[in-house]
Amino acid sequence: SQQGEEDPQALSIQEGENATMNCSYKTSINNLQWYRQNSGRGLVHLILIRSNEREKHSGRLRVTLDTSKKSSSLLITASRAADTASYFCAPSFLGNEKLTFGTGTRLTIIP
Amino acid sequence: DTEVTQTPKHLVMGMTNKKSLKCEQHMGHRAMYWYKQKAKKPPELMFVYSYEKLSINESVPSRFSPECPNSSLLNLHLHALQPEDSALYLCASSRVQASSGNTIYFGEGSWLTVV
Repeated sequence: SQQGEEDPQALSIQEGENATMNCSYKTSINNLQWYRQNSGRGLVHLILIRSNEREKHSGRLRVTLDTSKKSSSLLITASRAADTASYFCAPSFLGNEKLTFGTGTRLTIIP
Repeated sequence: DTEVTQTPKHLVMGMTNKKSLKCEQHMGHRAMYWYKQKAKKPPELMFVYSYEKLSINESVPSRFSPECPNSSLLNLHLHALQPEDSALYLCASSRVQASSGNTIYFGEGSWLTVV
């Protein structure tokens, strides 16, 4: 099915460390978005990277995209307790009007 | 704070009840969505409305009936649900349908419990 697969499923790190999570997909994309979800809440858009872009930054977030490997990564630098959440990638596949979410990474920041 | 408002936040209903979930946005968005999310799973797309017309139905059982009365409102009518339908129901909107890279804005969700 057309869905991103995220790795790792869960990640626990100490506050101040960097967190990296990865998203892989199987078919060509228009763009890829990352969203955050705090426990039991709605999703919040973090960043969008288009298929012709390789890297994008927003504050402490850095997203990379490698279309040849069909993968993207999200790096959160200098993590804070408030970064504790689930993170989902959402690839937008060519010819597909739907936006579907990857399996998600549950990130826990230990104070 | 989200600009997509969902009511109610929590709903408990029996299997014979009829209830509705409501969603409202005033951002002028012309695409609206319903997603269903079970615990520790990603949101799953149920319905997409584009310019007030049903654009995508992801083979959702007929006990879920969406309605888009106008460009700001989206309802999900519920009837004869099963306990396995208990989940977080998320409403979302975007400027136009999301495939071209439009950001989707989510509401905080409605927690549904079917008893």
